[in-house]
Amino acid sequence: QSVLTQPPSVSGAPGQRVTISCTGSRSNIGAGYDVHWYQLIPGTAPKLLIYNTNNRPSGVPDRFSGSKSGTSASLAITGLQAEDEADYYCQSYDRSLSGFLIFGGGTELTVL
Amino acid sequence: QVQLQESGPGLVKPSDTLSLTCVVSGDSISSIYWWGWIRRPPGKGLEWIGYIYYSGDTYYNPSLKSRVTMSVDTSKNQFSLNLYSVTAVDTAVYYCARKPSGPGILHFDSWGQGTPVTVSS
Repeated sequence: QSVLTQPPSVSGAPGQRVTISCTGSRSNIGAGYDVHWYQLIPGTAPKLLIYNTNNRPSGVPDRFSGSKSGTSASLAITGLQAEDEADYYCQSYDRSLSGFLIFGGGTELTVL
Repeated sequence: QVQLQESGPGLVKPSDTLSLTCVVSGDSISSIYWWGWIRRPPGKGLEWIGYIYYSGDTYYNPSLKSRVTMSVDTSKNQFSLNLYSVTAVDTAVYYCARKPSGPGILHFDSWGQGTPVTVSS
């Protein structure tokens, strides 16, 4: 079981907006630690989408955005495109014995 | 632009040692980055294994610490992972990745494509 909980799957039609949640606890997200998001597409290297909760690396479209509140974080994708179909993972830091760097279980995004 | 490429045996026997190497191109492994390993077991989420600085300093996942060592070869611009006494639960796709250094910086900004490893007799 991953320390950070994500929905196994989400879906949306092209052009729509989808959000992916990442729920943690008071020892990680709730303690104020940053959340980062990655996109995994089979056969390609994972890609950093969002770092430090709401920052986009150079080259990542502004259709992708991140936010955090309490013990949860979210990744929002607007103007959904077929190329966004991928697995998405959140990552943070946990100050308890459960781990140092922690990831969510991943969310599979299907573009209908 | 940095590129990372994992290599190693795709099949490892139970109780043996899993050894992987990550070759770094487009950047010096002696630069201000940490170099890490992450894995993705089939049907499960990502799991951080650890990371190493070119000086040899390391941080390991507490749950794997007793079975893991990492090393750096600056002459070959590569770093390596050894995971000892493997079992079937170590079957996964293994990724190498780069982490910027600095206070509170804990994300990976570049990744390799991953290499699948199966533990089976």
